[in-house]
Amino acid sequence: DADVTQTPRNRITKTGKRIMLECSQTKGHDRMYWYRQDPGLGLRLIYYSFDVKDINKGEISDGYSVSRQAQAKFSLSLESAIPNQTALYFCATSDFRTGQETQYFGPGTRLLVL
Amino acid sequence: RKEVEQDPGPFNVPEGATVAFNCTYSNSASQSFFWYRQDCRKEPKLLMSVYSSGNEDGRFTAQLNRASQYISLLIRDSKLSDSATYLCVVNIGNTGKLIFGQGTTLQVKP
Repeated sequence: DADVTQTPRNRITKTGKRIMLECSQTKGHDRMYWYRQDPGLGLRLIYYSFDVKDINKGEISDGYSVSRQAQAKFSLSLESAIPNQTALYFCATSDFRTGQETQYFGPGTRLLVL
Repeated sequence: RKEVEQDPGPFNVPEGATVAFNCTYSNSASQSFFWYRQDCRKEPKLLMSVYSSGNEDGRFTAQLNRASQYISLLIRDSKLSDSATYLCVVNIGNTGKLIFGQGTTLQVKP
């Protein structure tokens, strides 16, 4: 089984709809991240969480919200989806308690907002 | 100026060639450096960390020049399977956050 999973893998939605992307990990890592990837722009950080009670905005948090339901689960919500939120979304984890900064990514969710 | 800059390429090389990618970063507080590999429509995966003294992993060699804030990746004896996008990644001090370059695309041709 994959260490970092994301659901759904693909999603098509309409403008104005609320959607949630979910991320789960079995790595036991404390830190979790949400990124979006757009062609030519690379990966950009949306939100990150260093533990269950710690949520921080990244560089492009507007229009998004997150919830860290447990150490292993970190969900991303688009409150009212808009077409420019069409992108590839990745969840990642890291184990900072061991001093490691390497991030491990889930397989991604491909989102299309019509 | 982007915090991490890479030439997007693509670099088109024949099998067996040696190819080098460069990357510059702007934050002098960066302390950790990485190269990630991303295959088309897949997630990024760690290729190797980059250490101050330079390091090698098989056909891959990474170098760091802190004074010039410059990182490089050298791939020797390129294989078809090396075709991918290579992401230069640096941390932001002790924040636990990483900054990703937009990537350099490599196409290795038979």
